[in-house]
Parts: sequence; C-alpha cells; structure tokens
Amino acid sequence: GESVGLHLPTLSVQEGDNSIINCAYSNSASDYFIWYKQESGKGPQFIIDIRSNMDKRQGQRVTVLLNKTVKHLSLQIAATQPGDSAVYFCAENIPSGTYKYIFGTGTRLKVLA
Amino acid sequence: ETGVTQTPRHLVMGMTNKKSLKCEQHLGHNAMYWYKQSAKKPLELMFVYSLEERVENNSVPSRFSPECPNSSHLFLHLHTLQPEDSALYLCASSQGTGKYEQYFGPGTRLTVT
Repeated sequence: GESVGLHLPTLSVQEGDNSIINCAYSNSASDYFIWYKQESGKGPQFIIDIRSNMDKRQGQRVTVLLNKTVKHLSLQIAATQPGDSAVYFCAENIPSGTYKYIFGTGTRLKVLA
Repeated sequence: ETGVTQTPRHLVMGMTNKKSLKCEQHLGHNAMYWYKQSAKKPLELMFVYSLEERVENNSVPSRFSPECPNSSHLFLHLHTLQPEDSALYLCASSQGTGKYEQYFGPGTRLTVT
C-alpha cells in the first residue's frame, strides 16, 4: 500500500547545529505535505506545510524542501535548540481525499547540549 | 495550546468497563477527527465528523462509538475493549474537510487491562 516513511528513526544533533529530517513518500500524486512536531505527552503540532507547486518553503528557523522527482521531503531546522527535541513526522495529502492524510512513523530528534 | 482539549489525559480501564473520551475545540472549526496513535506506528484515522455528521468510519470495530452533539464537542465511547486497543487517542479539528491544517489535542493515553 501507499506509505510515508522516514529514513532515520533517531537523529542526535549538537545544540546550535542544523538538523535535517527526511521523509519519503510513495504517492506521486500527493499534492500537499505537512511536517508535525510531537513533544512527549503532547499532541502533534503543525510546523510547516508545502504544496506540490513549490520546491521550498521557509518559516521561522525551519525550511521544508520538496523533491517531486524522487518523492522526497525534508525538514531543516536551523540552530537547533533543546526545545526542538521531539518526534517529527510528515504527512501527505492524497488528491483523491480531502482531509485524508498518510502519516509517517516519525523521527526522534535529540538535541545534545 | 492548540485550542483543542481532551479529557481525561490518562485512562485505565478493564475489558468489561464502559468509558468515554471527550474532546472540545475552541477554534470555530467545522470538522473533527479521532485518531489512534500506537507505538512505532503511524497515526490511524478512525472517524471524521463534518458539521456534526459522520463522514468517515475507517473500518473501526464497533466497540468504539463516536458521538458529535455539536461542532465543538466530540466523544468516543468505549466498551468491551481489548488490550491491543491501548494507545494514545488523539482528537483533531480543522476548518473544514478540505486540505486544511488539522489542530490536535494532547490526547488521552488509554490502557486496557
């Protein structure tokens, strides 16, 4: 079946360094993507989204890159801080659905002091 | 805070018990969702309500029974659950059932003994 997956289950990054979290999606027709952050004991929190007509979108300290050729999505976090420690997962929205998202399993980001 | 609250935050119940999970959104949204989040698995969509009408039942066993009395409240009634139903149950809401960002509550950690 179609799935959204993450290359690395755990990523450890030194405080102040940049983090890159990757996501592969399998449905080439997906046209909307979201990155979520989930801290321990909390629900997923929207970070940034991108539509398929874009290759790059920037937010505050975060950038999402979309490579439709290889069906790859990445989340870049600049100057990683301890508060960035969480599980990050991506979600793709398939065109045949509206509210229907396929979620990845997540990558745990650990920020080392 | 995301504007979506859930109670209780933690629940332990036996297989013969009947309990209910409650979700309330303060965002004026028209769509509400129940998701199940199990360890090391992607989010699983369970139910979707739009303007208080159920629009999706994602092959969920009948021991889970949703109720949406108005657009701000969503319940999940539980009865005769199984240990494998232990998980984090997340409620979310969105402006509509189109490609909108979904705002998640903190979840209810359910343990079935």
